[in-house]
Amino acid sequence: GAGVSQTPSNKVTEKGKYVELRCDPISGHTALYWYRQSLGQGPEFLIYFQGTGAADDSGLPNDRFFAVRPEGSVSTLKIQRTERGDSAVYLCASSSLAGNTGELFFGEGSRLTVL
Amino acid sequence: AQSVAQPEDQVNVAEGNPLTVKCTYSVSGNPYLFWYVQYPNRGLQFLLKYITGDNLVKGSYGFEAEFNKSQTSFHLKKPSALVSDSALYFCAVRDGGNAGNMLTFGGGTRLMVKP
Repeated sequence: GAGVSQTPSNKVTEKGKYVELRCDPISGHTALYWYRQSLGQGPEFLIYFQGTGAADDSGLPNDRFFAVRPEGSVSTLKIQRTERGDSAVYLCASSSLAGNTGELFFGEGSRLTVL
Repeated sequence: AQSVAQPEDQVNVAEGNPLTVKCTYSVSGNPYLFWYVQYPNRGLQFLLKYITGDNLVKGSYGFEAEFNKSQTSFHLKKPSALVSDSALYFCAVRDGGNAGNMLTFGGGTRLMVKP
């Protein structure tokens, strides 16, 4: 596709439920990033994939959060036993990682609301 | 560790006047610096970046930024503001010596341009 696509754009769930958020990066981009943006704050890094493997998952807040990218393209962020504090906009970005100088291209985000 | 500070939560400027949005950074290696803009309910859009070379970088929509190594700053500027420039602006840094390193964002500055 022309840009980074994220689905769903909005998700409302109840506390304790399981949620999956999907990201379809720009075709050919090998690097994929997940960020979380809470209201009034800047994006916070969660996890970075280079190809199929998670190169850096140091930003995942706890073991309820997990992400996969099995074929090196589409990625899914999975949140188990959701809590109200998980409510935020989850942003996905991809990059061609041209010598680490490439900018990140962001999707429009998935807004998660946990009731 | 790397970090970004945007000391102003909001900047107000009259249309036609010059604008500056401040950013300072901290990184152990060579700084790669970026500015992004976010319009309401939209993802982040890349404006410009500094990797190496000329300290004055020109980007999209007439924006420019000046890299100042001694002051560890990367302020965003525009000679003549437009009402349509009103948005949320984020400065970001990554360590250029760390391949695949993630981008760290500041907390954002809301720019309000009044007619």
